[in-house]
Amino acid sequence: SYVLTQPPSVSVAPGKTARITCGGNNIESKSVHWFQQKPGQAPVLVIYYDADRPSGIPERFSGSNSGNTATLTISRVEAGDEADFFCQVWDTSAHWVFGGGTKLTVL
Amino acid sequence: EVQLVESGGGLVQPGGSLRLSCTASGFTFSNYLMTWVRQAPGKGLEWVANIKEDGSEKYYVDSVKGRFTISRDNAKNSLYLQMNSLRAEDTAVYYCAREEGYSYAYYFDYWGQGTLVTVSS
Repeated sequence: SYVLTQPPSVSVAPGKTARITCGGNNIESKSVHWFQQKPGQAPVLVIYYDADRPSGIPERFSGSNSGNTATLTISRVEAGDEADFFCQVWDTSAHWVFGGGTKLTVL
Repeated sequence: EVQLVESGGGLVQPGGSLRLSCTASGFTFSNYLMTWVRQAPGKGLEWVANIKEDGSEKYYVDSVKGRFTISRDNAKNSLYLQMNSLRAEDTAVYYCAREEGYSYAYYFDYWGQGTLVTVSS
């Protein structure tokens, strides 16, 4: 089955740029979606179709997908961005697959 | 405003059954695929099952096949998950979510707040 690999944690200082990766075999051939989940809350879609942003999501959130790695980039990080982030793809054999999640810590 | 509200969670003994419900509002429920996702305590997200707009096709993660059944009632704007033969490893918060998009290019744009299922003796 298809596996998505994320780093368990990423730390960044306020105002800096955070990059969260999602690795998968030839992931560039798939559409990648990203979710932000704050403690005790449901996940929220922040990026879909690799790089599209739902209404209400700040422009500071952006996505890219190339080769074997998709990346969620958060510019000018704020304390309120601290959360768990999950990537997701659809796979023909396993249907929906999530990455293990990355905890973003704002220093 | 799109809203999804889950209910039906609780404490159940191993081998027992539970039926989760998800009531939708703010959109035309019958036009959308719907899905269940779960999250074990302190763990990541796991897709569980989804169902097509008219209920004609249903898909499940391997670990729940033969035990869980997804269904919907479009007249009641409701999604269900019948869970039988429950195991300790089914303990999780269960979320329902709406699938937006088109042929093989969907994404989960709205989620409910979740309902906790605890399987324990």
